[in-house]
Amino acid sequence: DAGITQSPRHKVTETGTPVTLRCHQTENHRYMYWYRQDPGHGLRLIHYSYGVKDTDKGEVSDGYSVSRSKTEDFLLTLESATSSQTSVYFCAISLALSYNEQFFGPGTRLTVL
Amino acid sequence: GQQVMQIPQYQHVQEGEDFTTYCNSSTTLSNIQWYKQRPGGHPVFLIQLVKSGEVKKQKRLTFQFGEAKKNSSLHITATQTTDVGTYFCAGGSNFGNEKLTFGTGTRLTIIP
Repeated sequence: DAGITQSPRHKVTETGTPVTLRCHQTENHRYMYWYRQDPGHGLRLIHYSYGVKDTDKGEVSDGYSVSRSKTEDFLLTLESATSSQTSVYFCAISLALSYNEQFFGPGTRLTVL
Repeated sequence: GQQVMQIPQYQHVQEGEDFTTYCNSSTTLSNIQWYKQRPGGHPVFLIQLVKSGEVKKQKRLTFQFGEAKKNSSLHITATQTTDVGTYFCAGGSNFGNEKLTFGTGTRLTIIP
């Protein structure tokens, strides 16, 4: 498996609290992605990054922000968590935007009560 | 924007039967990729198809890319319990600067 870790792996939080998920890679891939996975919806892109401090929105970006201050780290923040953000969150990396395979992290299961 | 539809959403088969999942894009694709996600796991890349009409095989798995580069299929011959999981297709836009778009996935369960 590619060197991708996510932390935490599981988190339970309450509505209205801020939450930050971390993705760390050791592969020096340029592109990093945050997806959420929900039953019946597959993998939906939240945000992605194409370099340090370079990020862009995906299809379900509302309520989420990201930051990438180092090549190896990509943070996903829920400023004020809602129950609709209960999901499994996957980080992924790739060498190119759509022409190269993506390598996924192990995922973070987030429950918002 | 680009949409990638995948059918069926679920498939239950007896062990030893064949299985096929289909992927259709609303736009012409530069490439299509297939991923497998085991229960409780993360998606893992299986293969990439690039050429119109391309067919690739991996043991019992056969992947096809349509002539118009807008559809694809994954066929598994004689399923085994190790094939259990969700299979996703992901399409790359023909414009090259667009993100991969994942299909909704097909969850395969095997009845022993």
